[in-house]
Amino acid sequence: DQQVKQNSPSLSVQEGRISILNCDYTNSMFDYFLWYKKYPAEGPTFLISISSIKDKNEDGRFTVFLNKSAKHLSLHIVPSQPGDSAVYFCAASARNFGNEKLTFGTGTRLTIIP
Amino acid sequence: EPEVTQTPSHQVTQMGQEVILRCVPISNHLYFYWYRQILGQKVEFLVSFYNNEISEKSEIFDDQFSVERPDGSNFTLKIRSTKLEDSAMYFCASSPQALQETQYFGPGTRLLVL
Repeated sequence: DQQVKQNSPSLSVQEGRISILNCDYTNSMFDYFLWYKKYPAEGPTFLISISSIKDKNEDGRFTVFLNKSAKHLSLHIVPSQPGDSAVYFCAASARNFGNEKLTFGTGTRLTIIP
Repeated sequence: EPEVTQTPSHQVTQMGQEVILRCVPISNHLYFYWYRQILGQKVEFLVSFYNNEISEKSEIFDDQFSVERPDGSNFTLKIRSTKLEDSAMYFCASSPQALQETQYFGPGTRLLVL
């Protein structure tokens, strides 16, 4: 079951630069997308979300872009900080179809280099 | 800031034994979830719970699993007869409403079945 895919298992970015994490999905019923950040031995922490009626949502240093035609979303972090080093998960749900469950990607480990 | 809590943080059990994982969701939330993450794999949905009944469950959530809200604050996941493959991190999550709100995750319980 690969409905949500994060093809880059890891990414290293210099502090202060932009981090771009990518996510692709295959299920066209997905209409709500979220990014979670996870440190070792902790639960996923919600970062930012976007509904399928939008193509961009911004919250401070975090911006999520959604390209529905390509079934692709990305998370931009700018400027990147050392505390951003973590595993980032993309997740999706089909809320308008009454489906509450989140389907997660496999995660991308982001390392910010000081 | 309110948060989801889970106990115990770690649990080691023998195969065939029953385990109960406990969660205290955020106090004004009405929807509760269990997810798990087997080492090296993605976070997977197990079950959602609302108004004292299961609203959705995955294929993983077979007859060995059950959930309960025994009082106004706790939400539990019981595994009746644990198997080696039940070894995973188990995450509880809650949201104020279904289909409209983000799910907030607890820190997880690491279950090891020997």
